[in-house]
Amino acid sequence: AQKVTQAQTEISVVEKEDVTLDCVYETRDTTYYLFWYKQPPSGELVFLIRRNSFDEQNEISGRYSWNFQKSTSSFNFTITASQVVDSAVYFCALSEASGGSQGNLIFGKGTKLSVKP
Amino acid sequence: GAGVSQTPSNKVTEKGKYVELRCDPISGHTALYWYRQSLGQGPEFLIYFQGTGAADDSGLPNDRFFAVRPEGSVSTLKIQRTERGDSAVYLCASSSWTGGPGELFFGEGSRLTVL
Repeated sequence: AQKVTQAQTEISVVEKEDVTLDCVYETRDTTYYLFWYKQPPSGELVFLIRRNSFDEQNEISGRYSWNFQKSTSSFNFTITASQVVDSAVYFCALSEASGGSQGNLIFGKGTKLSVKP
Repeated sequence: GAGVSQTPSNKVTEKGKYVELRCDPISGHTALYWYRQSLGQGPEFLIYFQGTGAADDSGLPNDRFFAVRPEGSVSTLKIQRTERGDSAVYLCASSSWTGGPGELFFGEGSRLTVL
């Protein structure tokens, strides 16, 4: 069965601190996708990144970076120099790679990040 | 607006009543998804439409839940004989193939409270 675990329920940091959100996944598929979504207080989930299981290269986008390690089944997300606007609930998700099931995402329970000024 | 629109934003109903939740996806998006999010949990997949047809309804919890998308655009999620356990935020999302797998555009959700 597929499963996503986000062990950190809530994290609180002070602005400009770096913070890493952990994500561990389980799947029997050899081909799959991993995602991070952000859910601000408005409730609308916003897509941040997708990685496929064959691409273990780390990725950086501005202050955001992602570390994908198949050996430990982890896909961690780091925010550098956090800002108050980063405050949100962040979800890690997993999906199979075939056809329409790509949109059938298995989400973790989320990590609530609070960035204080 | 250009995003996914969901109505109503809030719905309070009594146990046993019938409820309809509407989703208007981004224009041109052929794929539409319904998810349910309970308090403190991640979204849980309910059903996926490709065009007018339900391509995957494996997430619908029981036969009280039904969804339609008759013209391949707007979708309605229907819940019969509501129960208190149905209380949650119901999220709709749409996507296009040009956006890549799993890149879903979500609406702000319809919060359902069953008293």
